[in-house]
Amino acid sequence: SQTIHQWPATLVQPVGSPLSLECTVEGTSNPNLYWYRQAAGRGLQLLFYSVGIGQISSEVPQNLSASRPQDRQFILSSKKLLLSDSGFYLCAWSRSGIKTQYFGPGTRLLVL
Amino acid sequence: KQEVTQIPAALSVPEGENLVLNCSFTDSAIYNLQWFRQDPGKGLTSLLLIQSSQREQTSGRLNASLDKSSGRSTLYIAASQPGDSATYLCAVRPVRSSASKIIFGSGTRLSIRP
Repeated sequence: SQTIHQWPATLVQPVGSPLSLECTVEGTSNPNLYWYRQAAGRGLQLLFYSVGIGQISSEVPQNLSASRPQDRQFILSSKKLLLSDSGFYLCAWSRSGIKTQYFGPGTRLLVL
Repeated sequence: KQEVTQIPAALSVPEGENLVLNCSFTDSAIYNLQWFRQDPGKGLTSLLLIQSSQREQTSGRLNASLDKSSGRSTLYIAASQPGDSATYLCAVRPVRSSASKIIFGSGTRLSIRP
């Protein structure tokens, strides 16, 4: 069976500090990978998705970036966090094509 | 541009009642529509996925319907239980979009009173 992991579960960071959130998937190969952000009381906003190693598509302009150094690893980064980066970050995976997305447990980020 | 709307934003009903959650979308050109459940502070769990050629899907006490031409979907929950309390999100996969992208509604926060 497939599982998806995210860490850390919770993170409190000062404004201007760097960020690195990690997502890994087990039990499948060549998944599509996604990063979403969920602000309080709002829906999920797709930030990045990847269909393969080193292939990243950005959906919204921002100070965040994503990388996929390995087939089942997806990393969300920032060089300098903003207050507005606070939120709940969810990673998801799907099989290639138009398939159901499966979500990780999420990382709650608070920027102070 | 595809937009997904869920009304109401919050709903509270007594245990045992049957209830319906609504989802509407502006562009009927979709591959599928999916309903998710999200518990507080947790990730999303997929409940039901309806392909564009289908009218409904059922899983246990849950039934989701899709009327693509009118841009509407409903999630019917029978005999509600306190454990059903969660936020329910619907999402559509547009035909006219980048690969694998799905658009979420902002969710309905459901509370079942014992």
